[in-house]
Amino acid sequence: AQSVSQHNHHVILSEAASLELGCNYSYGGTVNLFWYVQYPGQHLQLLLKYFSGDPLVKGIKGFEAEFIKSKFSFNLRKPSVQWSDTAEYFCAVKVTGGGNKLTFGTGTQLKVEL
Amino acid sequence: KAGVTQTPRYLIKTRGQQVTLSCSPISGHRSVSWYQQTPGQGLQFLFEYFSETQRNKGNFPGRFSGRQFSNSRSEMNVSTLELGDSALYLCASSLDKAGSGKNIQYFGAGTRLSVL
Repeated sequence: AQSVSQHNHHVILSEAASLELGCNYSYGGTVNLFWYVQYPGQHLQLLLKYFSGDPLVKGIKGFEAEFIKSKFSFNLRKPSVQWSDTAEYFCAVKVTGGGNKLTFGTGTQLKVEL
Repeated sequence: KAGVTQTPRYLIKTRGQQVTLSCSPISGHRSVSWYQQTPGQGLQFLFEYFSETQRNKGNFPGRFSGRQFSNSRSEMNVSTLELGDSALYLCASSLDKAGSGKNIQYFGAGTRLSVL
């Protein structure tokens, strides 16, 4: 069965700092990869996704992620965070051909201080 | 287009009772999945329905069940509630266009269940 690891559980940054959140998965086959964000009091929203092709994907609000197949990683990055980026971030994996079941990481709580 | 709608938003039940949660997917979406979110276990997959059939199932006891109707609306039921069932239950829908392989799940706001 596939699994997803997010190494940073809590991250505190100052505004304008750069962000990188780690995500590693374990599965030997083809996967689709996602980052979701959950702002305080709001529902899960899709930040970005990778299906195939260019391993560097861009999402909303200036976020991007790079799929490195050899490292089974899909790290999330943002060059300059804002206070409004304070939220919980979830990495998720879907096995292709296996319906729509998403396996989530445990999440990273990001706090951006002014 | 309206998003995924879950009702009710909040529920309080006592141990031993049963509960039914409802999910209306985005119009045209055919796949509905359910997830349980708790502080300790994070987001865990419960099951997925597509065309009124269960297509995937997570590792939850048989007390957790679901169904999907012909209009793609879905319900999940939890019988004989336990304290540990207290959680946020999320529903997600996906277009699931045949042959696409690029399905995105859109989540509802969830139903927060408290078991006393």
